[in-house]
Amino acid sequence: DAGVTQSPTHLIKTRGQQVTLRCSPISGHKSVSWYQQVLGQGPQFIFQYYEKEERGRGNFPDRFSARQFPNYSSELNVNALLLGDSALYLCASSLDSANYGYTFGSGTRLTVV
Amino acid sequence: AQSVSQHNHHVILSEAASLELGCNYSYGGTVNLFWYVQYPGQHLQLLLKYFSGDPLVKGIKGFEAEFIKSKFSFNLRKPSVQWSDTAEYFCAVNAPNTNAGKSTFGDGTTLTVKP
Repeated sequence: DAGVTQSPTHLIKTRGQQVTLRCSPISGHKSVSWYQQVLGQGPQFIFQYYEKEERGRGNFPDRFSARQFPNYSSELNVNALLLGDSALYLCASSLDSANYGYTFGSGTRLTVV
Repeated sequence: AQSVSQHNHHVILSEAASLELGCNYSYGGTVNLFWYVQYPGQHLQLLLKYFSGDPLVKGIKGFEAEFIKSKFSFNLRKPSVQWSDTAEYFCAVNAPNTNAGKSTFGDGTTLTVKP
């Protein structure tokens, strides 16, 4: 049984570039949430999507956007990358819009140089 | 806004010692509470959760946590740690009645268990 899969695992980008991160939830899970984890800190909530609609947004600038597809997979896009966007980006899968505890993917390590 | 405070940044214990990791949250409404663990080289995984009912909840691998509403606390405990418990532990809170999809995490506690 596949868990939450994220791609790519590592990424290096230059300031000002754009990046797209991908996530496939556990089969049967309809909600995907995105978190940013900076070294030494806990994960910070970016977005939640459920049934292809945005259900929640954290305190992140408009450079961050996301979407969810009919198969419940999701993409996180970040435009005009800054050095401070360097972090581990985590995707969390849950059955529905309520939070009974997430299943996390292994994350995408983004380095902005 | 919710916030979570984990007071111990790094805890070092010998095997068989008892463990208690502190977690305090700030939010006045109904909360769901979680502990997640991240073992070296692995992804975050759910250790235990509290929604309602008995404030003492038991999770995997012998861990338990007690919700004390009056203290806004949800401390994690284990009577006797093993070397394999070496990991980073995160406490998280969620407000199901206002923003069900968002969890607020603490900054984590790194536990090192010496054999």
